[in-house]
Amino acid sequence: GENVEQHPSTLSVQEGDSAVIKCTYSDSASNYFPWYKQELGKRPQLIIDIRSNVGEKKDQRIAVTLNKTAKHFSLHITETQPEDSAVYFCGRRWGNMLTFGGGTRLMVKP
Amino acid sequence: DTGVSQDPRHKITKRGQNVTFRCDPISEHNRLYWYRQTLGQGPEFLTYFQNEAQLEKSRLLSDRFSAERPKGSFSTLEIQRTEQGDSAMYLCASSTQVDTIYFGEGSWLTVV
Repeated sequence: GENVEQHPSTLSVQEGDSAVIKCTYSDSASNYFPWYKQELGKRPQLIIDIRSNVGEKKDQRIAVTLNKTAKHFSLHITETQPEDSAVYFCGRRWGNMLTFGGGTRLMVKP
Repeated sequence: DTGVSQDPRHKITKRGQNVTFRCDPISEHNRLYWYRQTLGQGPEFLTYFQNEAQLEKSRLLSDRFSAERPKGSFSTLEIQRTEQGDSAMYLCASSTQVDTIYFGEGSWLTVV
């Protein structure tokens, strides 16, 4: 029950298009799901998170949706910009641990 | 800067040597985490402290790894008899009672 699967591993979009990254998990106890953005050589930084009592959360161009029944959650970035290019990690809390997916390298082409 | 700080930022060591990394969390944060990240992978959980108590330790963590947080403030991660497979970035993170964790810049380890 510790792992979280993340897809796709790489994603290339044209500037202005939308990007969607999906993560799935296996246990029902998870109740917190963050998304982090990591630029090359820098620390992962939290961009948005969602708790299990909420189905969707939005912050400007970024949104996260959670389907507890299907045990998956997704990151949606609209109107992508070149500065959105980075690696994105989904996470979920399992007991005291926050575990992460394998990451998605997003490339936004100008 | 009142964020999580880690030292050293980079370390090159010969195989078989011991290395130690230090993490200073955000001052009011009582929870502290260590993760390992290799190129192209997500952060992999290593261990977790609440105050000075080490409450979780990954079963993937070999006996060569040990972490301490003696006074519930800074923490150290020691790797004994380093191997080339230990080459990675070691990330420290901290949090309060709520869920959001804040990462440090990481300590890059290269074992030659």
